[in-house]
Amino acid sequence: EVQLVESGGGLVQPGRSLRLSCVVSGITFDDYALHWVRQRPGKGLEWVSGISWNGGTIAYADSVKGRFTISRDNAKNSLFLQMNSLRAEDTALYYCVKDVNMIPYCGGPCYSGGLDYWGQGTLVTVSS
Amino acid sequence: VLTQSPGTLSLSPGERATLSCGASQSVTSNALAWYQQKPGQAPRLLINAASSRATGIPDRFSGSGSGTDFTLTISRLEPEDFAVYYCQQYGSSPITFGQGTRLEIK
Repeated sequence: EVQLVESGGGLVQPGRSLRLSCVVSGITFDDYALHWVRQRPGKGLEWVSGISWNGGTIAYADSVKGRFTISRDNAKNSLFLQMNSLRAEDTALYYCVKDVNMIPYCGGPCYSGGLDYWGQGTLVTVSS
Repeated sequence: VLTQSPGTLSLSPGERATLSCGASQSVTSNALAWYQQKPGQAPRLLINAASSRATGIPDRFSGSGSGTDFTLTISRLEPEDFAVYYCQQYGSSPITFGQGTRLEIK
């Protein structure tokens, strides 16, 4: 059974930092890209960042570029999101998500894809 | 940018649902997916590559389209199909989601 378990969320003041973690089990971890997707309360899905199987390809949404850093440790089956300079609009449920592919986006011809396994999310609240 | 329509769709069980997703530019390699999300749950992948059903998805769900116009069709609505549906393009960075279509019971 594939499981993604997030941790590290909580209440943080604007301008401060937080580091999210996700431990993945039930798959060959370094065969797949991974992502962080967030959902503000009562709102839709927003892709935040994605990383390829070996960390060689990384991408960010414009809304977090320069503030957030995604990374992975294949030896520990873990995905991370370092979030700096947090803002009120970063308040959301953050999902750790497995990709069907090894890379986070096609960038050219591809025949499959999508996000096929999701964690239950960790809630980040940015407020003073 | 992905734009989904309608914002809300009110139908009865047994009816056919047609949800649309329009892209502001052609989606690379038709790399488009559809997800279903129920309250309090994480999203579930339904369709990838515009028209391929994900593992375990019933055949009443089908996807079609190419380029900038895509459609998710649910042939005969079951009670468990009433949820919010999102399209997503993964052909180029940044990956984007549509704003969602809420499918509600009439």
